[in-house]
Amino acid sequence: DAKTTQPPSMDCAEGRAANLPCNHSTISGNEYVYWYRQIHSQGPQYIIHGLKNNETNEMASLIITEDRKSSTLILPHATLRDTAVYYCIVRAPEYGNKLVFGAGTILRVKS
Amino acid sequence: GAVVSQHPSWVICKSGTSVKIECRSLDFQATTMFWYRQFPKQSLMLMATSNEGSKATYEQGVEKDKFLINHASLTLSTLTVTSAHPEDSSFYICSAPAFPGPDNEQFFGPGTRLTVL
Repeated sequence: DAKTTQPPSMDCAEGRAANLPCNHSTISGNEYVYWYRQIHSQGPQYIIHGLKNNETNEMASLIITEDRKSSTLILPHATLRDTAVYYCIVRAPEYGNKLVFGAGTILRVKS
Repeated sequence: GAVVSQHPSWVICKSGTSVKIECRSLDFQATTMFWYRQFPKQSLMLMATSNEGSKATYEQGVEKDKFLINHASLTLSTLTVTSAHPEDSSFYICSAPAFPGPDNEQFFGPGTRLTVL
């Protein structure tokens, strides 16, 4: 799997958009970008994933650059409950469903 | 979304005993499940891939005789920590994809906290 680089921590004001960056400069053409988050002492929760196009669901938006070397997860209106560790993972078809977690970004949403 | 459960949610045991952790997919069948461990303030580390009807595949550095994995059915995988020692104390998490292939989400269990005294 391609390696990802994320900032170790970020702060965001409640109600504002949280923009979490991820660099994956060695990503291959068939590797998907996945985002998960983990709230303290819980199992990870799926947020969103994409291959080339930008994606949006009820939780977040995923913006992938045209060269696919980086992406940004956007939480449009962060709440205190969004405080968690956010993991950006790239995954190739040849690895099947295996997910390899990096260090992630600790997002602290503050009132 | 699909639900993955784990049992027990926490367990305390004496050093030298074996502990079994169950991972169940409640509303879907999973031919593959994954086991992770997580130490405090660290990321998840993939331990092994559990395959229904065949042997588990272990990641490099994970002792297969220490961490026994059995995928008895399409909805159940078990992880047995044999002869547990204090250094095995950790948060163990399982996951399962509802469908094969990389273009779909994977569902995680709530985790099992193991404390070995």
